Amino acid sequence: RKEVEQDPGPFNVPEGATVAFNCTYSNSASQSFFWYRQDCRKEPKLLMSVYSSGNEDGRFTAQLNRASQYISLLIRDSKLSDSATYLCVVTLWNTGFQKLVFGTGTRLLVSP
Amino acid sequence: EPEVTQTPSHQVTQMGQEVILRCVPISNHLYFYWYRQILGQKVEFLVSFYNNEISEKSEIFDDQFSVERPDGSNFTLKIRSTKLEDSAMYFCASSQGTGYEQYFGPGTRLTVT
Repeated sequence: RKEVEQDPGPFNVPEGATVAFNCTYSNSASQSFFWYRQDCRKEPKLLMSVYSSGNEDGRFTAQLNRASQYISLLIRDSKLSDSATYLCVVTLWNTGFQKLVFGTGTRLLVSP
Repeated sequence: EPEVTQTPSHQVTQMGQEVILRCVPISNHLYFYWYRQILGQKVEFLVSFYNNEISEKSEIFDDQFSVERPDGSNFTLKIRSTKLEDSAMYFCASSQGTGYEQYFGPGTRLTVT
């Protein structure tokens, strides 16, 4: 089983739509959770951390379900500039949080 | 805003040659990392470095790879004898500490022919 699993997409949505991405992780010892964004041929950039209580940053909402080992990202009112690949990332306790484990990413295409 | 820089942006080399990829982490950061991303695949951890030594490495980081912090600013990844399958984007990252955000550099695209 993959350490971090994501639907690769692509998700094609019109501007203004709400879109949700899901991610599952296999190691129950995972301690920290993130969503990164990666534009084509660019470096990953942190979008937001994901906390157990759920958290929101503007149009973005992240949720974590430790029991189901499931992470989600909701994007409301999609913009053209949201087109990118969204990477689900976890870190593991036994690595002292030093190693980021990436999913393969979910590609989002927002069209006019 | 401080950023991680990497040079060169693109390196082409012949199989069997040695390459050195260079990174300048953010100045007050203490933890340094290398990741790689083969085209079309996920980002994979290679190695983490703290206090002038490797703190963790992955299975990918075998004897042909080495890292060094030769001075107070640079952090390098050396691949001793490149193989075709080493062709990938190599990202350097740095963080203030464990559990803190890792900031990624723009990457070096390595092409082995």
